[in-house]
Amino acid sequence: NAGVTQTPKFQVLKTGQSMTLQCAQDMNHEYMSWYRQDPGMGLRLIHYSVGAGITDQGEVPNGYNVSRSTTEDFPLRLLSAAPSQTSVYFCASRGGSSYEQYFGPGTRLTVT
Amino acid sequence: QQQVKQSPQSLIVQKGGISIINCAYENTAFDYFPWYQQFPGKGPALLIAIRPDVSEKKEGRFTISFNKSAKQFSLHIMDSQPGDSATYFCAANRGGSNYKLTFGKGTLLTVNP
Repeated sequence: NAGVTQTPKFQVLKTGQSMTLQCAQDMNHEYMSWYRQDPGMGLRLIHYSVGAGITDQGEVPNGYNVSRSTTEDFPLRLLSAAPSQTSVYFCASRGGSSYEQYFGPGTRLTVT
Repeated sequence: QQQVKQSPQSLIVQKGGISIINCAYENTAFDYFPWYQQFPGKGPALLIAIRPDVSEKKEGRFTISFNKSAKQFSLHIMDSQPGDSATYFCAANRGGSNYKLTFGKGTLLTVNP
């Protein structure tokens, strides 16, 4: 049971490039979410999903797209990277009636 | 509008001392208040959580105190140890169909040996 996994661990992009951050969980959790963490800002919700085929926006969704075709995977797409998207990105999942969210190890993204 | 305000930003405590981190919230619809612990280079992990129908919850050296009328809750770490040095986040979750966690900005705790 690997829990929540994220790839890559580190990524450097140039402004305007696109990329996909991968997130997978093997706990059969219905709820998955993406957060970004910036110094002094805490964790801010980008997008979330309550099940396959269902996604919704969080607090800071601009510049990011998501889709949820399977229960296990919840990729985050940056269509045209900007320096303001330099951050550490965390994926999390939660299952059933429990409120506890399980976080992945994070992806550190730098946009130059 | 910051819905969960956390203080202090940083805290230095001597080994064996008590660490206290405070949070205040605005939305009375919040019904679940967790604390997460994060070590450098790692994702946050649930430490302890409380619901608003109780005023205190204790797990080992960690205690949450909850004051519903004041809309405040706090984390107390008794007998603080160097291994407790981490960033701590309070959070709040609105019940019903909204499962979004709103986080405080975090407190960097350093416990000196």
